Amino acid sequence: ETGVTQTPRHLVMGMTNKKSLKCEQHLGHNAMYWYKQSAKKPLELMFVYNFKEQTENNSVPSRFSPECPNSSHLFLHLHTLQPEDSALYLCASSQVGGYYTGELFFGEGSRLTVL
Amino acid sequence: TQLLEQSPQFLSIQEGENLTVYCNSSSVFSSLQWYRQEPGEGPVLLVTVVTGGEVKKLKRLTFQFGDARKDSSLHITAAQPGDTGLYLCAGVYAGNMLTFGGGTRLMVKP
Repeated sequence: ETGVTQTPRHLVMGMTNKKSLKCEQHLGHNAMYWYKQSAKKPLELMFVYNFKEQTENNSVPSRFSPECPNSSHLFLHLHTLQPEDSALYLCASSQVGGYYTGELFFGEGSRLTVL
Repeated sequence: TQLLEQSPQFLSIQEGENLTVYCNSSSVFSSLQWYRQEPGEGPVLLVTVVTGGEVKKLKRLTFQFGDARKDSSLHITAAQPGDTGLYLCAGVYAGNMLTFGGGTRLMVKP
């Protein structure tokens, strides 16, 4: 069992579709993240959940909707996306509390293509 | 403006050569990580440095954190094709804020 698993690995959707990305972490961490990775851009933090509570939402459009039902699962619900939303979406987890070193454990990513 | 600047952005070398990748900022970081990302995969943590001047070695990779904790370098000795990938640095600032550099894409040709 890998530490952080993401499904699906690849997703193609039209602009009117609704789909969801799923992430599960098996590391016992208490924080989970969604990052967007586009060509020629640094990793962009989208959402952070600490202890299942959303603590950051970096001005992400409402067509992206996160859900964290428990500390091991994280979803990203997608609806009416735009072609420029095509990217690799990475889920990560970490253990926060005490001295924060920022170490993240990433999943393999979900490659999203919006037609 | 990017908080962490990585250089070079791209690097193509022959197997056996040495290389150094830099991660620079005007900000002070409490810790800094290096990750490697292979095509179609997520980034994998290589190392964390927390003390100014710290040097860590991971086989043929040597990581250094600047004395002022504003910069870091990654040196690879005798690069191999398996070292090919995107190298990312990330730093923690303001207590619990994390920022990534733009990455260095390395290709090692056999």
